[in-house]
Amino acid sequence: AQSVTQLDSHVSVSEGTPVLLRCNYSSSYSPSLFWYVQHPNKGLQLLLKYTSAATLVKGINGFEAEFKKSETSFHLTKPSAHMSDAAEYFCVVSDPPGAAGNKLTFGGGTRVLVKP
Amino acid sequence: DSGVTQTPKHLITATGQRVTLRCSPRSGDLSVYWYQQSLDQGLQFLIQYYNGEERAKGNILERFSAQQFPDLHSELNLSSLELGDSALYFCASSVEDRGDYGYTFGSGTRLTVV
Repeated sequence: AQSVTQLDSHVSVSEGTPVLLRCNYSSSYSPSLFWYVQHPNKGLQLLLKYTSAATLVKGINGFEAEFKKSETSFHLTKPSAHMSDAAEYFCVVSDPPGAAGNKLTFGGGTRVLVKP
Repeated sequence: DSGVTQTPKHLITATGQRVTLRCSPRSGDLSVYWYQQSLDQGLQFLIQYYNGEERAKGNILERFSAQQFPDLHSELNLSSLELGDSALYFCASSVEDRGDYGYTFGSGTRLTVV
């Protein structure tokens, strides 16, 4: 079974400062990992995905994440926070190809507050 | 606009009632997934269909059922509704029968049971 743990339920940053959202995963397979963002009263938008290519993954809106197998981590970062980054972020692991289910397993979410 | 269309956006109904949520996948996508997002349970996988066939079940209650039609749209039926069924229900779609490419999510249907 696969699982994802987001280590912080809330993160507060000032506009223009770096953002770090921490995620650890557990998987019996080489995982496919994702970060999704959910703005208030909106759906889920894919920020980036790791599928066993480069370990540093660049996504939309200046976000990037680094896959570290030795630490079973997939932390999300952004060098400079913008007010529009205030949202909830989900770290996600997928079932491996061919597995019955193909479902995504979501972490508990990290709510980001950006202060002016 | 993600290309995945969910209707209605909001639904308010009474306990004991039955509702149907509808999802049209992104053009070309054959897989449809349903997820429930609630405050206490987070995002939970309910069920997946691929090209009209049920592929996998998650934490879906027996009071809930779904189907995917020949035109690939899907409906999630929730019956004998309880207060605890109040949640945001998301539909997602993908091209193939695999999740490791990621999905495209709709904007959700917010169900309130009173």
